[in-house]
Amino acid sequence: KAGVTQTPRYLIKTRGQQVTLSCSPISGHRSVSWYQQTPGQGLQFLFEYFSETQRNKGNFPGRFSGRQFSNSRSEMNVSTLELGDSALYLCASSLPGSYGYTFGSGTRLTVV
Amino acid sequence: GESVGLHLPTLSVQEGDNSIINCAYSNSASDYFIWYKQESGKGPQFIIDIRSNMDKRQGQRVTVLLNKTVKHLSLQIAATQPGDSAVYFCAENEQGAQKLVFGQGTRLTINP
Repeated sequence: KAGVTQTPRYLIKTRGQQVTLSCSPISGHRSVSWYQQTPGQGLQFLFEYFSETQRNKGNFPGRFSGRQFSNSRSEMNVSTLELGDSALYLCASSLPGSYGYTFGSGTRLTVV
Repeated sequence: GESVGLHLPTLSVQEGDNSIINCAYSNSASDYFIWYKQESGKGPQFIIDIRSNMDKRQGQRVTVLLNKTVKHLSLQIAATQPGDSAVYFCAENEQGAQKLVFGQGTRLTINP
C-alpha cells in the first residue's frame, strides 16, 4: 500500500512569505503528526491531529499552524517565514490508538 | 523535563561486527520507545519498538534493550552491513500523549 506522501518535496521561499505543506497519510491512518528537523535542534514535534482535531501541540510560535480534513489528509502552514524556519518538515501517520508512526520523506523548506 | 539523548553522535564499525547504539531518556512517564533509521534524503524508518513493560525485544538482526531503572535504551545490530549506514534515532512516547520525543541521533558508519 502507498506510504505517507508529502508535497512538495522541495520549496524555496522568501522571508516574510507564508507556506503551506501537504501530507496524505496511509489509508486507514487517522492520526497525523508533524515534525520539524534541523541540524541544530534535531527532530521536534509540531502538532498532532486526529479526526480533524488537534490533540497535541509542541512548543512552536503561533506562526505554525495546521489542520486535518475529513479524509485525514493534513496541511501545515507557516506564516511570516523566518530564516530559522528552514528545515525538513516531516509528516507521520498512525492507526488509531497506535504509536507506530510511519513517516513520509518530508518537505525540504529553504527560506532565503 | 522531557528529553531523549544519545550518548554518541557518531559510531564507526567494521562490516560484519555487531553495533550497539545507546540512548538515555529522562521522562519516567514514557511507556513506549522506538528506534528509527534515517538515510540521507529520506524520512525516519521504523526499526523496532518496545513497551515499558518489557526489557528486551528482538527483530531481524536487531535487538532493543530497555533498562527502566537507569532510563537507558539500546539498539543492537548484529552483523552490520553497508546498508545499515544511516543516522539512528531513539524516540519515546509519554503515556497517553500522541507525541514522540526524539534523541539527537547517532550516525553509524560501516567500514569495509
